[in-house]
Amino acid sequence: GENVEQHPSTLSVQEGDSAVIKCTYSDSASNYFPWYKQELGKRPQLIIDIRSNVGEKKDQRIAVTLNKTAKHFSLHITETQPEDSAVYFCAASSTNQGGKLIFGQGTELSVKP
Amino acid sequence: GAVVSQHPSWVICKSGTSVKIECRSLDFQATTMFWYRQFPKQSLMLMATSNEGSKATYEQGVEKDKFLINHASLTLSTLTVTSAHPEDSSFYICSAREGGRETQYFGPGTRLLVL
Repeated sequence: GENVEQHPSTLSVQEGDSAVIKCTYSDSASNYFPWYKQELGKRPQLIIDIRSNVGEKKDQRIAVTLNKTAKHFSLHITETQPEDSAVYFCAASSTNQGGKLIFGQGTELSVKP
Repeated sequence: GAVVSQHPSWVICKSGTSVKIECRSLDFQATTMFWYRQFPKQSLMLMATSNEGSKATYEQGVEKDKFLINHASLTLSTLTVTSAHPEDSSFYICSAREGGRETQYFGPGTRLLVL
């Protein structure tokens, strides 16, 4: 089955700096890669997603890149703000597995003012 | 749009009792719903996938007789934790997906504490 590895587990940056979180996946059939932000005790919130037919996607300060050959994808947050502090999860899914999401281990991002 | 609710948000029960958690899609029809469990400081672990009108598909290692899942309508799925024990204490989160779409929307979660 699919396995998703996420790094780093914790990331601390100064306000205004960029943050990068990386994930690798094992199943070459995976074709959908969402990123979720989860604040303490809250539900995961979708922040951006990318499909396998696209190499990069951007939404304001957030961007995701996908390298299908290497089976890795990354989340980039620019001009970080204290409210970006949260746990970020990457996930992968494939249509032939019923679309179930397999999550990475999570990255706790801390943005220091 | 795409709102998912869960009830209850908190439940405390005695060991040996059963607990039912409801997951509802409020403004869309969810052909597929997923149930996850999340322990403190850990990731979301998929427990099962439920499709409306059919039996749930459980992930390896998840006891289907202990975690009963019902998806009787396009807007409601329920998870019943039977004969709950302290080790079942966790944060249970559902997600829902509209037919033909990939995006999953998560409920707010249910925190279960078994004494």
